[in-house]
Amino acid sequence: NAGVTQTPKFQVLKTGQSMTLQCAQDMNHEYMSWYRQDPGMGLRLIHYSVGAGITDQGEVPNGYNVSRSTTEDFPLRLLSAAPSQTSVYFCASSSTRLLTGELFFGEGSRLTVL
Amino acid sequence: AQSVTQLDSQVPVFEEAPVELRCNYSSSVSVYLFWYVQYPNQGLQLLLKYLSGSTLVKGINGFEAEFNKSQTSFHLRKPSVHISDTAEYFCAVSNSGGSNYKLTFGKGTLLTVNP
Repeated sequence: NAGVTQTPKFQVLKTGQSMTLQCAQDMNHEYMSWYRQDPGMGLRLIHYSVGAGITDQGEVPNGYNVSRSTTEDFPLRLLSAAPSQTSVYFCASSSTRLLTGELFFGEGSRLTVL
Repeated sequence: AQSVTQLDSQVPVFEEAPVELRCNYSSSVSVYLFWYVQYPNQGLQLLLKYLSGSTLVKGINGFEAEFNKSQTSFHLRKPSVHISDTAEYFCAVSNSGGSNYKLTFGKGTLLTVNP
């Protein structure tokens, strides 16, 4: 079972560059989300989606864009990378938008912005 | 808005000792509560959850947690820890009603089990 797949696992960017972190799930989950994890800060929600065509902002959305054109995919776009976006990014999905079930996480994407 | 406070950033214990990881939450409405575990260089895995009913919930790997509404707490316990329990543990909360589809995590507690 693939579960939640994130690519790339590692990426180094220069300030001002753009990139997309890919996330795909094969569990037909309606809910998908992106978190960033920083030392001492825990996980902070960036954006989430409760179904294809529906997205909303989380706690720290600035500098990030998302779209949800299919149930399976939920890419995270950095339009102009900044050093403050150096972090580990996790994509997660759930079978219910009410989050009564488990949130399944990918293995993470480590991003460094120079 | 909901929030979670994990009172200890690091908890060192010896193998076979009991452990309690503390979590307090804040919310103006009813909540669902979760504990997740993160092993090094991995994503998070669900340990246990409280949705309703019995306030004592049991999870995987011998962990349990008790929901205390009056103290707004959801502390995680294990009577005897193993070296393999060394990991970071996250408490999380979501609102049980309305349209708030957000899971809010605490800052984490690093549990280190020493031989």
